[in-house]
Amino acid sequence: DAGVIQSPRHEVTEMGQEVTLRCKPISGHDYLFWYRQTMMRGLELLIYFNNNVPIDDSGMPEDRFSAKMPNASFSTLKIQPSEPRDSAVYFCASMTSGRNNEQFFGPGTRLTVL
Amino acid sequence: ILNVEQSPQSLHVQEGDSTNFTCSFPSSNFYALHWYRWETAKSPEALFVMTLNGDEKKKGRISATLNTKEGYSYLYIKGSQPEDSATYLCAFDTGGFKTIFGAGTRLFVKA
Repeated sequence: DAGVIQSPRHEVTEMGQEVTLRCKPISGHDYLFWYRQTMMRGLELLIYFNNNVPIDDSGMPEDRFSAKMPNASFSTLKIQPSEPRDSAVYFCASMTSGRNNEQFFGPGTRLTVL
Repeated sequence: ILNVEQSPQSLHVQEGDSTNFTCSFPSSNFYALHWYRWETAKSPEALFVMTLNGDEKKKGRISATLNTKEGYSYLYIKGSQPEDSATYLCAFDTGGFKTIFGAGTRLFVKA
């Protein structure tokens, strides 16, 4: 199994631009999580999906952030418009229920907004 | 607001030293406590998940204990090696699949 796949691994963009981060969960996993990691706030849960349905998006910082999961093998996190304070590493993780809630993390996308 | 605290924030030890660090979490709404190991430039990897008060888990030189009544877990590393250098994260799980991560303890093991 290839594990959780995220793309791009690095993204540098200018303030005001739209940014789309992508995630492919492990096949068969029915939960998908998006996290943001910053020095100040550590690892924060932004949103999670169960069977492609968003369950809890209370961690999404503001309306500029949106996430979709059109099918079981793909999810996107979009920031529009991006701001410098959005610079962080964004992790996607997936999990299958009934396995002690162990999450498997992707390699992350390092986003820099200039 | 659920608060998960880890201490110390960072730790420098010599190769061969044994060390331990703490994760404190709310004592209510407990479902599970997770420990993850996070090496620089990689993604977090699960070490242990503990669900019962008094649980003890061990993987090689690393072990963990759990006290759900008082809301803490200890992670122990026996005979630290340079390859143990990483950030160790704990995560509090209320069973709703929304885990709350601590800020981590960053361990540096010097050869």
